Amino acid sequence: DAGITQSPRHKVTETGTPVTLRCHQTENHRYMYWYRQDPGHGLRLIHYSYGVKDTDKGEVSDGYSVSRSKTEDFLLTLESATSSQTSVYFCAISDFAIADHTGELFFGEGSRLTVL
Amino acid sequence: ELKVEQNPLFLSMQEGKNYTIYCNYSTTSDRLYWYRQDPGKSLESLFVLLSNGAVKQEGRLMASLDTKARLSTLHITAAVHDLSATYFCAVETSGTYKYIFGTGTRLKVLA
Repeated sequence: DAGITQSPRHKVTETGTPVTLRCHQTENHRYMYWYRQDPGHGLRLIHYSYGVKDTDKGEVSDGYSVSRSKTEDFLLTLESATSSQTSVYFCAISDFAIADHTGELFFGEGSRLTVL
Repeated sequence: ELKVEQNPLFLSMQEGKNYTIYCNYSTTSDRLYWYRQDPGKSLESLFVLLSNGAVKQEGRLMASLDTKARLSTLHITAAVHDLSATYFCAVETSGTYKYIFGTGTRLKVLA
């Protein structure tokens, strides 16, 4: 199994508070992604990173920011959480940029966030 | 903007029956992926399809890709209860390294 760890796995917070989710990988993959999963919407891309300090927006980036200061860590921050950000958040990594890559995504276990 | 559509969204089928899940996408791409998700779990990779005409099979599941039609299919042969899960297709938008997912097909196989 790909070495991807998400923390925290569960979090309950109140509207207006900041929240940071962490994704840590041990595969040394260049590409990392944050998705949110909601019923009826499948997985929607929030932000992704293609290297240290290199990030870009996804489909639903409003209200989220990310940072990647090391290859192994990709942080997702909700500056001021809202109830609409209640969701399950998945981190994923890809082997793009590796010779003979497939581009396959490998997922973490998910972080369930509830904003009251 | 790339859009990925799956159908059906829900599928209830009897054990032993065959069925096909469809994944359509809106812009050019040569890379399509299928994932499985069990309730409350993460996603696991099923198939990687990297070229037009690619066909992959694993047990009772077979996936194919037609890039000209912008269509991938996931065919289920002689379904068994253990195949009950949600299945997602995902497309990599060519050259951007962004993956867009379909909304998923929730499959329930009845004994």
